[in-house]
Order: sequence, then structure tokens, then C-alpha cells
Amino acid sequence: GAVVSQHPSRVICKSGTSVKIECRSLDFQATTMFWYRQFPKQSLMLMATSNEGSKATYEQGVEKDKFLINHASLTLSTLTVTSAHPEDSSFYICSASGLQGINQPQHFGDGTRLSIL
Amino acid sequence: SQQGEEDPQALSIQEGENATMNCSYKTSINNLQWYRQNSGRGLVHLILIRSNEREKHSGRLRVTLDTSKKSSSLLITASRAADTASYFCATAGMDSSYKLIFGSGTRLLVRP
Repeated sequence: GAVVSQHPSRVICKSGTSVKIECRSLDFQATTMFWYRQFPKQSLMLMATSNEGSKATYEQGVEKDKFLINHASLTLSTLTVTSAHPEDSSFYICSASGLQGINQPQHFGDGTRLSIL
Repeated sequence: SQQGEEDPQALSIQEGENATMNCSYKTSINNLQWYRQNSGRGLVHLILIRSNEREKHSGRLRVTLDTSKKSSSLLITASRAADTASYFCATAGMDSSYKLIFGSGTRLLVRP
């Protein structure tokens, strides 16, 4: 089945650091990738939709300058948390959709646990 | 923003029993999907049911969809300890964005 690789799986860094998270579709072309944030024991909150070759579409309340998204190719999207602070600590998950149309499942990465000290 | 609610928030059952989780949503949908999440991991797709379908099966899983009530249910029969996880429903809207809006989730514990 379709595989999405997310890296790194865990990041611990100091406040003020920028952190980049990569999301790769390994065996299919992902026209659209999604970035979610999940707090402990809560659901996934969609942060942004990333389309290859165009600007990401952010959900209401998500700071574009804080969470930079780049989707440079059909297999790679990156999320950069700029100047991270402790309140940015969370579990970030990406997913990808292929070319098969809307009635297909999304394929999820294993998530990145970000801890800002 | 979350599409809707799942019920119950948490469910504890004995191995071998059936588990039923319910999901309600608010707007018209193209399809509804159920996902499973083990603690600290990504999501695994279980079943996708289209808006014109009423019931779907996959192994020990049975999903129903009632678009008039904007609700869905996931039934896991003959549960196993390995079924312990969080289960989320997610809806794909009528637009062409492909984005999913997730429900609040049900944490299932299956006691051996």
C-alpha cells in the first residue's frame, strides 16, 4: 500500500530554534499534502493544505509566518516551525492524497513529536 | 475546526465483546472515513464509505452511514486486545479540496 514517511519522529530543541519536518510519499505522487496538529488525547486539527507548486492554504487561526509550508515536488512537503516556543510543542502529522480522486483515503505519516524547552 | 463529535469519548470492553462507536457531523459530505491511531503514531485507514452508501464491511469492521441524520457508526466485532487504540471518523466535504475534518475520537480499551 501507499507509504508516507515523516521525519524526524521526535525533536527536542531550545526555544527560538526553527524546526523543519519532512513528509515524503515513497511510492506514489502526492498532489496534495496536509499538515495536522494534535494535542494529547485530542483529535487532529488541520493546519494547512499543501499543493505541489503553489502556496499552501492555511486554516483559520494558523499563523502563516510561524508555520512555513513548502511543497516543491510531488513527493515532498516540508513544515518549518519558525522561532519555536514551548507553546508550539505538539504532535504534528502529515498526510498525502494521490491522483485517484476524492473517494480515496489519505495516507498518513507516523507523526513528529516536537518538544520545545 | 472539528466537523463533529464522536460518542463515546472512551470505551472499555472485554476481549471478545463488540465495540460500537458513533460519529456525527454537521455539513454535507462526499464521503466519511474511519481511521485508527495507536498511541503516539500516525493514522491507519480502516474504511471509506461514500455518501450514497449505507453500509460497508471489512473483516470484523462494519460501518453504517445515515446522511439524513448526519451520523455514522463503526462496529468492531469479536474485539481483541490488539484493537486497543483511538478511532476517528473524518469527513470529506463537497468541495474539491480533498481535505478531511476529523471528529473528536473514541479511545477504545480492550481488556484481555
